[in-house]
Amino acid sequence: KAGVTQTPRYLIKTRGQQVTLSCSPISGHRSVSWYQQTPGQGLQFLFEYFSETQRNKGNFPGRFSGRQFSNSRSEMNVSTLELGDSALYLCASKKGGMAEAFFGQGTRLTVV
Amino acid sequence: QQQVKQSPQSLIVQKGGISIINCAYENTAFDYFPWYQQFPGKGPALLIAIRPDVSEKKEGRFTISFNKSAKQFSLHIMDSQPGDSATYFCAASMQETSGSRLTFGEGTQLTVNP
Repeated sequence: KAGVTQTPRYLIKTRGQQVTLSCSPISGHRSVSWYQQTPGQGLQFLFEYFSETQRNKGNFPGRFSGRQFSNSRSEMNVSTLELGDSALYLCASKKGGMAEAFFGQGTRLTVV
Repeated sequence: QQQVKQSPQSLIVQKGGISIINCAYENTAFDYFPWYQQFPGKGPALLIAIRPDVSEKKEGRFTISFNKSAKQFSLHIMDSQPGDSATYFCAASMQETSGSRLTFGEGTQLTVNP
């Protein structure tokens, strides 16, 4: 059974640009969550999607947004990139109603 | 109230020794406590998890001890091996009507010397 797949693995963007990250959850998993990992702030929750609806959101500015498609794949978008957005962005998938969350390998975003 | 405090920040253990990492939480509504293992360049991997109705859970060399009254839980790695060298994160979550989120501790960098 394939795990959580995130693409691309690495990205370099310039300040002010926007970026879209993709996540394909484990087959059968309908919940997708996104987390930001930085050395200073650790792992922080961005948002969760279930059945194409955002049902939970962390304390991040509106520049961070996401969506989920009918096949449970999810995308995360960051607009007007700032240097501080450089981080490892992780996606986690869960079966509906279950607590166990499984993470992908992440997308390493560098903003220059 | 949503924070999870983890200690120590780093830990060095000899091969064959016991590694112990501790976490404390404030929110009594948390009802799920997982531990994740992360190697450089990889995403966190679910290692073992516990719910508050159980005081201990063991899977192979990994054991979670849970103290509900003290609002603390810990990970014990028995017979630590160099391959266990990684960053370990504790986390907590609660099921809400609006879904759930994991609140992570700060992480512990474990080094097991051969």
